[in-house]
Amino acid sequence: DGGITQSPKYLFRKEGQNVTLSCEQNLNHDAMYWYRQDPGQGLRLIYYSQIVNDFQKGDIAEGYSVSREKKESFPLTVTSAQKNPTAFYLCASSIGRNTNTDTQYFGPGTRLTVL
Amino acid sequence: AQSVAQPEDQVNVAEGNPLTVKCTYSVSGNPYLFWYVQYPNRGLQFLLKYITGDNLVKGSYGFEAEFNKSQTSFHLKKPSALVSDSALYFCAVRFSSGGSYIPTFGRGTSLIVHP
Repeated sequence: DGGITQSPKYLFRKEGQNVTLSCEQNLNHDAMYWYRQDPGQGLRLIYYSQIVNDFQKGDIAEGYSVSREKKESFPLTVTSAQKNPTAFYLCASSIGRNTNTDTQYFGPGTRLTVL
Repeated sequence: AQSVAQPEDQVNVAEGNPLTVKCTYSVSGNPYLFWYVQYPNRGLQFLLKYITGDNLVKGSYGFEAEFNKSQTSFHLKKPSALVSDSALYFCAVRFSSGGSYIPTFGRGTSLIVHP
């Protein structure tokens, strides 16, 4: 899982609560990403960031928010507006901005369960 | 728009036999193609990528993939499967120009290697 850490590994949330998933990388990468993984649906992009203090919505951004105040950190908040948040969440990073040949490096993931 | 398809949800192979996991893509430009592997409850690990040059790409753990432009395919192969190869495999595509630099992932193929 390289130099990307995600915490916690497991997270339980009650309905109506906001929760924040942590993602930290020590690879000095500019770009960072958040994906959601559901069985049989592959990876779906939630948000991505190409540079500090900038981020863009992905395919399924509704009910989620992010910040990128530091190069090494890209936390994801799952808000109460996300109707079905139970899933496996993956953070990734890659070297550059707008570089199509870059390899993505993934963290170990956080499994979120709504009770 | 860029897209990638993994036509098989599951591939079963006996240990010691060759394995193939299929991937096809749709493109309006030149593709950059990636294969990742995911073990249970873990993040994705990079296996190999095709950027340009030789159509046969060799990667980690004895895997290789062949880029076939006429068939728009990038199938993952290994000459002799191991039980430890059992995992979820993802194909991803990016395009060199005219499209988003954000990769698009297939839905994944579960590889099961039987002893």
